[in-house]
Amino acid sequence: GAVVSQHPSRVICKSGTSVKIECRSLDFQATTMFWYRQFPKKSLMLMATSNEGSKATYEQGVEKDKFLINHASLTLSTLTVTSAHPEDSSFYICSAREPKQGAQHFGDGTRLSIL
Amino acid sequence: SQQGEEDPQALSIQEGENATMNCSYKTSINNLQWYRQNSGRGLVHLILIRSNEREKHSGRLRVTLDTSKKSSSLLITASRAADTASYFCATDSGSRLTFGEGTQLTVNP
Repeated sequence: GAVVSQHPSRVICKSGTSVKIECRSLDFQATTMFWYRQFPKKSLMLMATSNEGSKATYEQGVEKDKFLINHASLTLSTLTVTSAHPEDSSFYICSAREPKQGAQHFGDGTRLSIL
Repeated sequence: SQQGEEDPQALSIQEGENATMNCSYKTSINNLQWYRQNSGRGLVHLILIRSNEREKHSGRLRVTLDTSKKSSSLLITASRAADTASYFCATDSGSRLTFGEGTQLTVNP
């Protein structure tokens, strides 16, 4: 079964809306979670590293005020796309790192479509 | 070239045949992980191979790692139509994963 749950799986909304995506680690406590963006037929691009109890670390070129990340507990990280515009439409995927083995497990992704 | 380049970009085979995908990288790694992604879905973790390991098996999957050549391969034996998906390698430096561009595998019935 899934070890990382991501919700919602699909969002369609109007330009200017803020959208929150949740990522939950089900089988283990994750001090570190990651958020990725994937364009069609492309690989995953790391957006930010979410650290429990502290500020997220953003990759170069990713606007932290645009993509707000909160990692309030060891099993939940959220990504909020603020004032979303059509260019923010994409597939967003989260992952959580297993503490012992180090493997990263991914959610099923969220397809975000901004009209 | 980018970290985690994969070869080939696309592979089409008949059911029952073996499929081999290769991955090359540039920097030192803690481990290398292989993932599978069905269209429009998240990634499924397949195998993790540590930098001090040379080969690992899981069911029909066999992964090799050659740190001297900075390369890895994923072999899927006796392929099935259900194996059709994109396959990604990802190098783990300890703080983050860096993904290759992926190989699109099509297994024809």
